[in-house]
Amino acid sequence: DAKTTQPNSMESNEEEPVHLPCNHSTISGTDYIHWYRQLPSQGPEYVIHGLTSNVNNRMASLAIAEDRKSSTLILHRATLRDAAVYYCILRDGGQGAQKLVFGQGTRLTINP
Amino acid sequence: DAGVIQSPRHEVTEMGQEVTLRCKPISGHDYLFWYRQTMMRGLELLIYFNNNVPIDDSGMPEDRFSAKMPNASFSTLKIQPSEPRDSAVYFCASRIAGGRTQYFGPGTRLLVL
Repeated sequence: DAKTTQPNSMESNEEEPVHLPCNHSTISGTDYIHWYRQLPSQGPEYVIHGLTSNVNNRMASLAIAEDRKSSTLILHRATLRDAAVYYCILRDGGQGAQKLVFGQGTRLTINP
Repeated sequence: DAGVIQSPRHEVTEMGQEVTLRCKPISGHDYLFWYRQTMMRGLELLIYFNNNVPIDDSGMPEDRFSAKMPNASFSTLKIQPSEPRDSAVYFCASRIAGGRTQYFGPGTRLLVL
């Protein structure tokens, strides 16, 4: 599986936008970029995913660089509930690839 | 839907005892995954099933670990005998065929003394 690199931790203030970066320089053409987050004492939950184009959903936006070697998860207006560990994961879009390989993620702290 | 259900939520046992963790996936999901999370190693995939058949168990740490899926609505992860280094949070997740999202359960926190 291609590797991702994320900062260990980030801090932001409530009601401000947060940009969480992820580098994936060895990404292949069939790799989807997935983001999951893990709130304290809970299982991971899906946030968003994309292949080439930027994506938006009710939780966040995903901005993908043109060369696909990096991406940014954007929380438009952070709340205290967004404090979590955020994982950027590459997943092969091929039929045989079912695994999610989690790295260490970015621990996001939101200040009131 | 109730989501992925795991039981027990907490388990404390003594070294050498058998431990059985249980998982009920979301109805209609074809894939079931077992993960383990520790501070040292993070989240690791142990094994996954497709249509009740184990597909990849390369993450199972050793023979003391075994997993079964007797039907589409139930899976177990068994540790026998348990050791202190097995202490971790064990997550179960499920996914529908063709889908891209895994849905995780709340986890079982295991402490082996």
